Amino acid sequence: NAGVTQTPKFRILKIGQSMTLQCAQDMNHNYMYWYRQDPGMGLKLIYYSVGAGITDKGEVPNGYNVSRSTTEDFPLRLELAAPSQTSVYFCASGLTGELFFGEGSRLTVL
Amino acid sequence: DAKTTQPTSMDCAEGRAANLPCNHSTISGNEYVYWYRQIHSQGPQYIIHGLKNNETNEMASLIITEDRKSSTLILPHATLRDTAVYYCTGDKLIFGQGTTLQVKP
Repeated sequence: NAGVTQTPKFRILKIGQSMTLQCAQDMNHNYMYWYRQDPGMGLKLIYYSVGAGITDKGEVPNGYNVSRSTTEDFPLRLELAAPSQTSVYFCASGLTGELFFGEGSRLTVL
Repeated sequence: DAKTTQPTSMDCAEGRAANLPCNHSTISGNEYVYWYRQIHSQGPQYIIHGLKNNETNEMASLIITEDRKSSTLILPHATLRDTAVYYCTGDKLIFGQGTTLQVKP
């Protein structure tokens, strides 16, 4: 099993550009989460999903969109990148609250 | 979701037990308490969880008070590799700032 795979690992965006962070898991987990972590800070929940076709907002959803068309994939979309979205993004999956995290995607918006 | 409060930082001598507290006074009756840790800039790692009873696994022990308003994560013999940020959270998996544990030789 590959676990939770995030791509890309690093990305630099210009202000106003759009991009999608990919997250895939091969453990057949129903629950999937997206977090962001700013330098020196804790994790902030952006969006989560309890199963295919179901998504819900977390603490900081503004500026992001998600979809969950399959159990395996949970992409995070940034429509108009802003410098405030410079962060490390972590995707996680689990059957319950025991989550498995990806290695993170480091995004810089200039 | 339970609002959690943890000390910002703690030190522990290598080989000694590390006791990390967490206050979760707003936790609901059937809500689990979860503990995670994050080493350097890696993705967080699940450690342990519990509801009412004390729990132990190969990584740590979890002591939950009878009123369930607080808990303590115990690393029985801390090593330098246990230096990390430790988070406690409830069922909604909303993480706070966590406790930075520094294990010193």
